[in-house]
This record gives sequence, C-alpha cells and structure tokens, in this order.
Amino acid sequence: NAGVTQTPKFRVLKTGQSMTLLCAQDMNHEYMYWYRQDPGMGLRLIHYSVGEGTTAKGEVPDGYNVSRLKKQNFLLGLESAAPSQTSVYFCASSYGGLGYGYTFGSGTRLTVV
Amino acid sequence: AQSVSQHNHHVILSEAASLELGCNYSYGGTVNLFWYVQYPGQHLQLLLKYFSGDPLVKGIKGFEAEFIKSKFSFNLRKPSVQWSDTAEYFCAVTYSNNTDKLIFGTGTRLQVFP
Repeated sequence: NAGVTQTPKFRVLKTGQSMTLLCAQDMNHEYMYWYRQDPGMGLRLIHYSVGEGTTAKGEVPDGYNVSRLKKQNFLLGLESAAPSQTSVYFCASSYGGLGYGYTFGSGTRLTVV
Repeated sequence: AQSVSQHNHHVILSEAASLELGCNYSYGGTVNLFWYVQYPGQHLQLLLKYFSGDPLVKGIKGFEAEFIKSKFSFNLRKPSVQWSDTAEYFCAVTYSNNTDKLIFGTGTRLQVFP
C-alpha cells in the first residue's frame, strides 16, 4: 500500500536550472495538490488538480507549472529555479474536495543555490 | 479572506502535562476542520477531523478537539502528553463554498521533555 510517493526526496539545484518533481498515488484519488512548507509559514498551496487533465492555481503559483496527464500522477515543474524556491515540497491527494482529508507524500527537500 | 490562525507558535511542556493548542478560523460558512501532526522528518498525518455532529471529536493517540462554532475555534487537547508527542501540529479547514482547498494554519511546534 504505497499511498502517495514523491520523487526525488532531496535535490540541490543551481539558480536558473529546471527540474520536475513527481507525485504518484495509487488510491484512485481524483484530487491532487502541491504544497510548499517553509518555517513559520505552514503549508501553502502552489497548484492543485481536481481530475485528470485539469489544473488550477493555488496561493503561491508563480514560478511553478504543473501537469496532470494521468490520474495517478501530478508533476510540479520549476522552469528556472530561484533561491526563494528553496523549501520542502509536499504532494497530497484526496477522493474529493468535500473535506475527506488528504493523504500526504513524504516530501521533497529542494535547495536552490 | 478564508484563513486559519494558530496563535501558539512554540509550546514546551514536561511529560504528563496537559496540552491545549489553539486554532481559530475566519468566518466563511460551513466548515470541515482537521488537525494534522508532523513528526520530525516525516510527512503530515491526520490526527482527527470534524465534519458535523458531536462537536467533541476524538482522534488517534489520545488527542481530542472541540468545535465551538460561536468562537470559530477548534482547539486540540490531550490530558497528558508524552515525549513521543514532540512534533509540529497543523490546524486546517475547508469551507463549503471552496471545498477544493485545504487551508492550513502556520503550525505549532510542540516540544515535550521527559
């Protein structure tokens, strides 16, 4: 029972480099989310998806892009990484937005130097 | 704006002490409320949730929370904490008119000393 799997777990990027974070869930959840966690700021929603082929902006979408080509995968892309994007990134999924609660992945610690 | 406030940023307790962590949400209609816990180096895990019914909700590991609608609050309690409760605790809410999104508070770091 894998739940929500995030890859990679750690990454160091140089400013201006690009990368993609992968989130995969095996629970047949419709909704998927990308959050970033920063000290003293809690979790802030970057982008989310309410179904395959759909995406929407969250609270802090600038500098990120996402894609949901397959129901089980939700990709987060950084086209040109900046030091301000140093953070821990969490993916989550849920059956639907009716407050079912989320299942979180174990996180990706990204450092941009 | 829809938001969640956790006023206790850092709480330090001795084992066996009682715990109460505050959580207040902004008015916005019907809400679903959650408490999540994040142990050091781990991902968030659901402690308990409130959708409707009995405002006193019991969760895992002896935690409970009380929904007080008149105060827009959903405080987390535990009568006797253990060293293993050391973690960060997040209150979160979804609003009925915006159920796509779970809005988190900034978190409360709890340290329990033996």
